[in-house]
Amino acid sequence: QQQVKQSPQSLIVQKGGISIINCAYENTAFDYFPWYQQFPGKGPALLIAIRPDVSEKKEGRFTISFNKSAKQFSLHIMDSQPGDSATYFCAASTGTASKLTFGTGTRLQVTL
Amino acid sequence: DTEVTQTPKHLVMGMTNKKSLKCEQHMGHRAMYWYKQKAKKPPELMFVYSYEKLSINESVPSRFSPECPNSSLLNLHLHALQPEDSALYLCASSQEAARVQDTQYFGPGTRLTVL
Repeated sequence: QQQVKQSPQSLIVQKGGISIINCAYENTAFDYFPWYQQFPGKGPALLIAIRPDVSEKKEGRFTISFNKSAKQFSLHIMDSQPGDSATYFCAASTGTASKLTFGTGTRLQVTL
Repeated sequence: DTEVTQTPKHLVMGMTNKKSLKCEQHMGHRAMYWYKQKAKKPPELMFVYSYEKLSINESVPSRFSPECPNSSLLNLHLHALQPEDSALYLCASSQEAARVQDTQYFGPGTRLTVL
């Protein structure tokens, strides 16, 4: 019930391409869906987040698409760059900021 | 300044040692967190402090002992650890623990190796 399933586990995209990472959840009480980016040797950093009353949110090259009925949300990285190579975690929380349920992570590699 | 600092960066300890991890933030945040992250896995929540009081303990073994001396500092005291406790220990903070949209800011972590 508390799980967030994330796919793919790893992703290789050419520079300039679109990277797409998908997440699915079961708990309908989740009401906040952030994405975190983590570089090797660093802590995760918030990239972008969405609430379920919005179907899409865009910040620069990063877009979250949210499908409440399907209980799915995805991260799209447009014009992917080598500097985007990192591990991406989707997450979800309910009620408070305290307990983030993280997805399993996607290791993205953007090649030249 | 959105920085959470953690010391030390790396720590190697034996199973009989006692050591401490330190975390500091000067953003005026009132919620602070400890996470454990194994290689290629997501962070796992260990403890949450809200207004310097322990509000969440995710059934963490007593060999891990958190402490929040003031609103800017968070410590994690380690004693009699096992090799399987080797991991990256992350500290995070947020403005409040009770507001769902408050961003958690993570530190760079302490890489712990237990021999």
